[in-house]
Amino acid sequence: ETGVTQTPRHLVMGMTNKKSLKCEQHLGHNAMYWYKQSAKKPLELMFVYSLEERVENNSVPSRFSPECPNSSHLFLHLHTLQPEDSALYLCASSQDGQGRTEAFFGQGTRLTVV
Amino acid sequence: AQSVTQLGSHVSVSEGALVLLRCNYSSSVPPYLFWYVQYPNQGLQLLLKYTSAATLVKGINGFEAEFKKSETSFHLTKPSAHMSDAAEYFCAVNGGTSYGKLTFGQGTILTVHP
Repeated sequence: ETGVTQTPRHLVMGMTNKKSLKCEQHLGHNAMYWYKQSAKKPLELMFVYSLEERVENNSVPSRFSPECPNSSHLFLHLHTLQPEDSALYLCASSQDGQGRTEAFFGQGTRLTVV
Repeated sequence: AQSVTQLGSHVSVSEGALVLLRCNYSSSVPPYLFWYVQYPNQGLQLLLKYTSAATLVKGINGFEAEFKKSETSFHLTKPSAHMSDAAEYFCAVNGGTSYGKLTFGQGTILTVHP
């Protein structure tokens, strides 16, 4: 398998549920990212991991909790979400985390909070 | 600080016509610039990137973009539109920051009419 793979592709959860999004990259990259894509809004960078260390948290609410156990895997743990958290969550990876290298994106997880 | 403005949230062209999608950026340092395409229910796919080499950049699917520093622009063009080009297109900038942090424009939806 190649590229960036996200699971599940679709997720419906209640506001009191706890769920996790998974991302796996098979590109040998050492930086990984979570982006949020909401309707009518630009993509928002949520978290950046480089060499398994979180290097950026863009003021994301604590109900979103990322985890990067190794350079190939990235999780986003969700709990007590709100309906406005419904969005497409995109995972991406890049080599070295340098600005000149492009990010490769997964197909996303479509999250609906009910 | 860095930002991206895409002029026109929707662009409609006829099949075979010129495609022009506009992108202007703001960056305090020499930028790296990217164009991505997103098909329905998919992640983002890189079309092309500018990394301070040639100002005219050629990408996949017949697209190209020209970096114009004096105009702070990076417009995307394709001489002849194809039905399969219908998608949403995103311009993104990395203003030299580390960790591949991309700032995206709001996206332009391209519709291609037969």
